Amino acid sequence: DQQVKQNSPSLSVQEGRISILNCDYTNSMFDYFLWYKKYPAEGPTFLISISSIKDKNEDGRFTVFLNKSAKHLSLHIVPSQPGDSAVYFCAASGTGTGSARQLTFGSGTQLTVLP
Amino acid sequence: DAGITQSPRHKVTETGTPVTLRCHQTENHRYMYWYRQDPGHGLRLIHYSYGVKDTDKGEVSDGYSVSRSKTEDFLLTLESATSSQTSVYFCAISLKGGTEAFFGQGTRLTVV
Repeated sequence: DQQVKQNSPSLSVQEGRISILNCDYTNSMFDYFLWYKKYPAEGPTFLISISSIKDKNEDGRFTVFLNKSAKHLSLHIVPSQPGDSAVYFCAASGTGTGSARQLTFGSGTQLTVLP
Repeated sequence: DAGITQSPRHKVTETGTPVTLRCHQTENHRYMYWYRQDPGHGLRLIHYSYGVKDTDKGEVSDGYSVSRSKTEDFLLTLESATSSQTSVYFCAISLKGGTEAFFGQGTRLTVV
């Protein structure tokens, strides 16, 4: 049973418009959430994170929103650029013990920004 | 870029043979991880280490073992490779468990 779900395998957006990537989680013990970006043949790179004590974190063109009651987070990219085309992974970690404290990843969303 | 080197970058091996993948870091991070990436599954944790000789299992640890005899090196061994272990393997490091992890370039392993 996937604890972190990205239900949209792919998303296409026009350059300059907003990209919204969504992520849902089921484990109420998760208290830290991250987004990673991955280009082909490269390792994932950390993008932005948010703690459960916040509902928004912004870094340049990237903003992450957290809705704890809905167990939902989203990544907004404004404005979208062709270089943003990549697979985006949502990840979460929690207050459990052992491997439960480590990052659990979603299945990823392929973002394509069209020029 | 975080100083993480994975070797080899590509490997083809036969079913039933043992395989060892190496991860080397120059960042002196306490935590090291092995993940596998498969279509539709994202990244799944195989094993991780929280210090020299301190390791623990992740979500998909069956068929894999790890060792960490030095802070900088974390080895992943497939004891008897199977076709289901064909995947891309990523090593990652972090200062603290459950926080931002930095990934290596990956190793593409094909078991035939």
